[in-house]
Amino acid sequence: AQSVAQPEDQVNVAEGNPLTVKCTYSVSGNPYLFWYVQYPNRGLQFLLKYITGDNLVKGSYGFEAEFNKSQTSFHLKKPSALVSDSALYFCAVRDMRQAAGNKLTFGGGTRVLVKP
Amino acid sequence: GAVVSQHPSRVICKSGTSVKIECRSLDFQATTMFWYRQFPKQSLMLMATSNEGSKATYEQGVEKDKFLINHASLTLSTLTVTSAHPEDSSFYICSASGDVLYAEQYFGPGTRLTVT
Repeated sequence: AQSVAQPEDQVNVAEGNPLTVKCTYSVSGNPYLFWYVQYPNRGLQFLLKYITGDNLVKGSYGFEAEFNKSQTSFHLKKPSALVSDSALYFCAVRDMRQAAGNKLTFGGGTRVLVKP
Repeated sequence: GAVVSQHPSRVICKSGTSVKIECRSLDFQATTMFWYRQFPKQSLMLMATSNEGSKATYEQGVEKDKFLINHASLTLSTLTVTSAHPEDSSFYICSASGDVLYAEQYFGPGTRLTVT
């Protein structure tokens, strides 16, 4: 079984300050990790993914995430947050073993509020 | 990235009626489509996985006779909520995936269903 934990329901940060959204995961095989963002009444927008290679992944809108195998974490970061980054962020994992299928398991989501 | 559309974006129906939601992959062939349900301020819950030309695989606890899924072509899947009740009111999101190893899921914009 695979699972994802996002320990913070909400993160508040001032505009211009660094933003971090935490994610830890559990899978039996190697992880295929994603971050998505959701704005009100919208579907999910892809931010970035990790399959293999460099542990630091750069994505859309200035976001990046660092894969840490020993800590089974994949925290999302942005060096300087914008008010427009206020949204709901989801971390997701998929087991890379083919037999596991391609189902994604989502974390509970973290609401980010960036104040001007 | 690939584009997935959903129709309608919002629907209001009366209790006891059925409603159909369409999910289309606009620029790629989606061998697998997923249907999710999202309650307010909560994460996405996978309802079922459908492969083109096959019966859908439902997650535990999801009534297959209530949530009918059809994936008749490589670009279209439909979710029909039969005999809808107010507790079926939710945000329904589909995603689509191609037939390659490590294929990503591309998400639709979601459909807001309100049952009165």
